[in-house]
Amino acid sequence: DAMVIQNPRYQVTQFGKPVTLSCSQTLNHNVMYWYQQKSSQAPKLLFHYYDKDFNNEADTPDNFQSRRPNTSFCFLDIRSPGLGDAAMYLCATSRVAGGRNEQFFGPGTRLTVL
Amino acid sequence: AQSVTQPDIHITVSEGASLELRCNYSYGATPYLFWYVQSPGQGLQLLLKYFSGDTLVQGIKGFEAEFKRSQSSFNLRKPSVHWSDAAEYFCAVGRTDQTGANNLFFGTGTRLTVIP
Repeated sequence: DAMVIQNPRYQVTQFGKPVTLSCSQTLNHNVMYWYQQKSSQAPKLLFHYYDKDFNNEADTPDNFQSRRPNTSFCFLDIRSPGLGDAAMYLCATSRVAGGRNEQFFGPGTRLTVL
Repeated sequence: AQSVTQPDIHITVSEGASLELRCNYSYGATPYLFWYVQSPGQGLQLLLKYFSGDTLVQGIKGFEAEFKRSQSSFNLRKPSVHWSDAAEYFCAVGRTDQTGANNLFFGTGTRLTVIP
């Protein structure tokens, strides 16, 4: 089945130690998104890639970076995780079709910062 | 600027009872509206979406939602709730950016508890 896959599902890192979260998709969608969802809060868009073009949300901290080496994969890099970065990180994809495109979400990676 | 308000943080209903989850949005143009459901520790699953046309939209799992432009609302309904419907429900409005990508802005969610 076509899907959005996130690895790992659970990630533990230490304060200040760089961490990378992975997302892959078999949907061949043009757009890949990263959301941060803190406990009991709504998902918040961090950034997205439209093909190879990176689009950052204005309030996303510089500590968060992303890479998309090819259509299928997208990575979220947190350069120096702080305790406040503990959250669920959700990857989503969409196929652009005149803007009327729904997003398909992966299961998320839960990040713990010690 | 776009925003979504879900006024009910937590709702408890009995199994078999009807359900309505409220959602109000603020958006300057024609809104693209979505309802997603999230089970504990899981990602988001799309229940239904509204882009245009018929204001009553049908979704999966027996859910429906009605778009009311005059009230800026997009409330989710189900006539008879099942225990498996217990989850977190998010309403979202889509903003199309200059690339054509549809960025979602979510409400804070409504947690549904179903009691026997």
